[in-house]
Amino acid sequence: AQSVTQPDIHITVSEGASLELRCNYSYGATPYLFWYVQSPGQGLQLLLKYFSGDTLVQGIKGFEAEFKRSQSSFNLRKPSVHWSDAAEYFCAVGADGGATNKLIFGTGTLLAVQP
Amino acid sequence: DADVTQTPRNRITKTGKRIMLECSQTKGHDRMYWYRQDPGLGLRLIYYSFDVKDINKGEISDGYSVSRQAQAKFSLSLESAIPNQTALYFCATSRGRGYGYTFGSGTRLTVV
Repeated sequence: AQSVTQPDIHITVSEGASLELRCNYSYGATPYLFWYVQSPGQGLQLLLKYFSGDTLVQGIKGFEAEFKRSQSSFNLRKPSVHWSDAAEYFCAVGADGGATNKLIFGTGTLLAVQP
Repeated sequence: DADVTQTPRNRITKTGKRIMLECSQTKGHDRMYWYRQDPGLGLRLIYYSFDVKDINKGEISDGYSVSRQAQAKFSLSLESAIPNQTALYFCATSRGRGYGYTFGSGTRLTVV
């Protein structure tokens, strides 16, 4: 069965520092992968997605993610974090090869940004 | 107006009561989904629908039912609410395979 693991429950970084949020997935074929962000009291917003092609994908708000098949990973990165990036981040994989477009979500990583 | 609107935003209800959460969308998407979010558990799929006549159970459908009244409307019902259904509920829509979701702002439900 497909699954997604986000090993870090909570991360704190200083404003201006670089950020990497980890995501590992379990899926037999080439997965559809997504990163979402949830600000307090809000719904989830799509940051970026990977389906095929270039393994380094660019998203909104200066985020990028790299698909590494050999490591079953899809880590999210940002070179310089802003205070407004404080939020919860969810990695998701498309289940059933994307036929139903059901997404399986990780448990999330809560990002705190120190001044 | 928001693309995906959920009502109510917050609700407190008593154990045993029937409650309906509503979702409407202006995206024109055929696919609609209901997820619940619990701290430390992420989002889990309750039901999903491809069109008015196609409704499917997700991983945690027990205790819930849904109705797809129109392409734009997808309601979630708790027939007899229990405290462990206290959670944040999200409705989402999708254009289809390979596309991400558009989420509503969520309904925070508390069952006392």
